[in-house]
Amino acid sequence: NAGVMQNPRHLVRRRGQEARLRCSPMKGHSHVYWYRQLPEEGLKFMVYLQKENIIDESGMPKERFSAEFPKEGPSILRIQQVVRGDSAAYFCASSPFGFGVKNIQYFGAGTRLSVL
Amino acid sequence: SQKIEQNSEALNIQEGKTATLTCNYTNYSPAYLQWYRQDPGRGPVFLLLIRENEKEKRKERLKVTFDTTLKQSLFHITASQPADSATYLCALEGGEYGNKLVFGAGTILRVKS
Repeated sequence: NAGVMQNPRHLVRRRGQEARLRCSPMKGHSHVYWYRQLPEEGLKFMVYLQKENIIDESGMPKERFSAEFPKEGPSILRIQQVVRGDSAAYFCASSPFGFGVKNIQYFGAGTRLSVL
Repeated sequence: SQKIEQNSEALNIQEGKTATLTCNYTNYSPAYLQWYRQDPGRGPVFLLLIRENEKEKRKERLKVTFDTTLKQSLFHITASQPADSATYLCALEGGEYGNKLVFGAGTILRVKS
């Protein structure tokens, strides 16, 4: 039973390029969350998705960032025209339930984005 | 605005002792509070969840308390081992926090043999 799979593990982009981060949730999980983590800081919530729906994107920057979780395939976090400040570790988590006592989240190993 | 505070300084303890980590929050009371462990270069791993109407939860060498009056959770590891060395994150959910987890910055625990 594979865990949450994120790829790539490391991604290097030059300023102005696009970054695409992929996340395959655990089998049977329909709730996906994306977080950003800067060095020595906690995880910052970005977006919560269910299949084909964005439930809560209150943590997403208004520009350049978008996320999707299509009916088939992994969830994608897309960052357009990257800037140096986007350099961080991006974690994806999945859960079988969206809220409450059973909202235990299972995290992937993260994608470390470096913007040159 | 919501604020979650964890010890910013690393906690260094001797093997065999009990480690106690603190999570304080202001303003909003969560419905649930979770603790996660994170090792360098890895994603967080769930440890324990406690509800607002529960005072204490235990799992093997781990114990979590939740005091909604003090707005504080304590996380204890008894008989600590060097393998317990990691960053420990608390996360709040529900109430004014909504349907997502809001994480503290974490506390680094170092257990020396």
